[in-house]
Amino acid sequence: SQELEQSPQSLIVQEGKNLTINCTSSKTLYGLYWYKQKYGEGLIFLMMLQKGGEEKSHEKITAKLDEKKQQSSLHITASQPSHAGIYLCGADESRGTSYGKLTFGQGTILTVHP
Amino acid sequence: NAGVTQTPKFQVLKTGQSMTLQCAQDMNHEYMSWYRQDPGMGLRLIHYSVGAGITDQGEVPNGYNVSRSTTEDFPLRLLSAAPSQTSVYFCASRYTTDFYGYTFGSGTRLTVV
Repeated sequence: SQELEQSPQSLIVQEGKNLTINCTSSKTLYGLYWYKQKYGEGLIFLMMLQKGGEEKSHEKITAKLDEKKQQSSLHITASQPSHAGIYLCGADESRGTSYGKLTFGQGTILTVHP
Repeated sequence: NAGVTQTPKFQVLKTGQSMTLQCAQDMNHEYMSWYRQDPGMGLRLIHYSVGAGITDQGEVPNGYNVSRSTTEDFPLRLLSAAPSQTSVYFCASRYTTDFYGYTFGSGTRLTVV
């Protein structure tokens, strides 16, 4: 099965600083998802990437998928306390019959100090 | 449009008891799945379904049963609860098309004593 490795496992930054979270796969990624989770709450969908070299942005968050489709990064510009939480990358294992089988990385805990 | 609704939000069970975690979605999503979240281990897939009448096992299916008789509902049954099943359980659903990603419920926090 597909394994996703996130780094770093935790991150503490000062408000206003930029940061990057990485997600690396052991296999080719057919659909890469980024989610954010506040402690004790459900997951909020941020972005999905499918094509090699694809880049998407929403407000101050940018996600990229490399050309080989085995690594993705999530970059936050000018971080704010509202960005704090757990960031999870997830990937569809493959197309076809396994569609709907989303595998997650272990998550990155982000703390933003005011 | 309620999205994905999970009930109950909290539950305490005694070892050996059985129960059903409910998951319902009103978005006509074909795909539904159940995950458990444990500290340091991210989310692990328990069971998933690609449509009514079709289910399959995920990474950690032992001790859990599912069925999908309708598009809207995907209940998760704990047959004989064990302390190792203490976790937060999330249900998710999505369309066959990719654009909007998976929608997650708010979770059920289960403690088995």
